[in-house]
Amino acid sequence: AQSVSQHNHHVILSEAASLELGCNYSYGGTVNLFWYVQYPGQHLQLLLKYFSGDPLVKGIKGFEAEFIKSKFSFNLRKPSVQWSDTAEYFCAVYNTDKLIFGTGTRLQVFP
Amino acid sequence: DTEVTQTPKHLVMGMTNKKSLKCEQHMGHRAMYWYKQKAKKPPELMFVYSYEKLSINESVPSRFSPECPNSSLLNLHLHALQPEDSALYLCASSHGEGGVYGYTFGSGTRLTVV
Repeated sequence: AQSVSQHNHHVILSEAASLELGCNYSYGGTVNLFWYVQYPGQHLQLLLKYFSGDPLVKGIKGFEAEFIKSKFSFNLRKPSVQWSDTAEYFCAVYNTDKLIFGTGTRLQVFP
Repeated sequence: DTEVTQTPKHLVMGMTNKKSLKCEQHMGHRAMYWYKQKAKKPPELMFVYSYEKLSINESVPSRFSPECPNSSLLNLHLHALQPEDSALYLCASSHGEGGVYGYTFGSGTRLTVV
């Protein structure tokens, strides 16, 4: 069965620090990849998505992600985080009619 | 309208009650989904409806019964639930089955079973 792994369960950063959250998926075929964010008490919002083409994908709020097929990875990055980025971040892979989520990474940003 | 609306936002029910969760979208999406999310866990897929037909049931207990009356509405009927069913129930929708554009999620119904 296809799976998504997020190895960083809890990340704590100071404002202006750089962020990289890891995401690895198990499926070797064509995949559609997503990053979602869930702010405290709010619904899941799509940050960015990858289907094909340029492996460097830019999303909202200054986030970007790089698809590296050889490493089965789709890591999320942001050069300089803000306190308002405090949230839960989920990587997800879509295949065979299902969107499967990783376990999530809780990001806390302190001023 | 680019939203998925879920009602109610909060629900407390006894183990013998029957209740329903409602989800509505007016984006013309033809695929709709129910997910269950426990605290500090990722959303887990329960059901997929495609063009108003149930296409995926992730081995969900029969005490959860989905219904798709039309392309804009998705219901989840609840009966004889257990306390461990307490969770955030999320509805989502997408263009067609492919989910190529990602899913749009509702804010969820926080369910407590007592």
